[in-house]
Amino acid sequence: EAGVAQSPRYKIIEKRQSVAFWCNPISGHATLYWYQQILGQGPKLLIQFQNNGVVDDSQLPKDRFSAERLKGVDSTLKIQPAKLEDSAVYLCASSPGLRQGGYYEQYFGPGTRLTVT
Amino acid sequence: AQSVTQLDSQVPVFEEAPVELRCNYSSSVSVYLFWYVQYPNQGLQLLLKYLSGSTLVESINGFEAEFNKSQTSFHLRKPSVHISDTAEYFCAVSPVTGTYKYIFGTGTRLKVLA
Repeated sequence: EAGVAQSPRYKIIEKRQSVAFWCNPISGHATLYWYQQILGQGPKLLIQFQNNGVVDDSQLPKDRFSAERLKGVDSTLKIQPAKLEDSAVYLCASSPGLRQGGYYEQYFGPGTRLTVT
Repeated sequence: AQSVTQLDSQVPVFEEAPVELRCNYSSSVSVYLFWYVQYPNQGLQLLLKYLSGSTLVESINGFEAEFNKSQTSFHLRKPSVHISDTAEYFCAVSPVTGTYKYIFGTGTRLKVLA
């Protein structure tokens, strides 16, 4: 079974530029997550999708970050314009679905390391 | 709201020695507890989890963690570490109801020395 795929793996941009990250979850997984992992910190959830609907985007800086999951499969996360503090690893994860009386493991991709100069 | 504290940012230990990585959490609701491992340039991998039942959970590679509700802790232990255990370890919690979001600690970098 193929894992969660992310691209690019590395990206360097200047502040005020825009950037987009792509994620392809494990086939059949209904739930998709985007996390931001700043150096020295644990991952922080930015947005959670169930199929193509948003479940939780309470920690997404909506003035500059946007995300979409068209057709409920792959997803893109965009930053426009980027700031220096956006330098981080952006992790995508997927799980079979939202828990309903049970538990679903989250499977993580390798991440995209963004450096904003 | 939930929070997770990993007080040790780095833990150096010699090969074949025991190790304990500490994790404490705060939550007003019941939570599931997890340990994830992150090897260099890789994504997070689930190491072990506590959902319910026995408070002692084990992984296939010799790690174990014990859920202590009174001390709100979920410390990770291994009796004898290997060089290959060098990685960053994250403790996480997730409420058992709601949107099931994960809240991660800041991580502990385990460095196994030869």
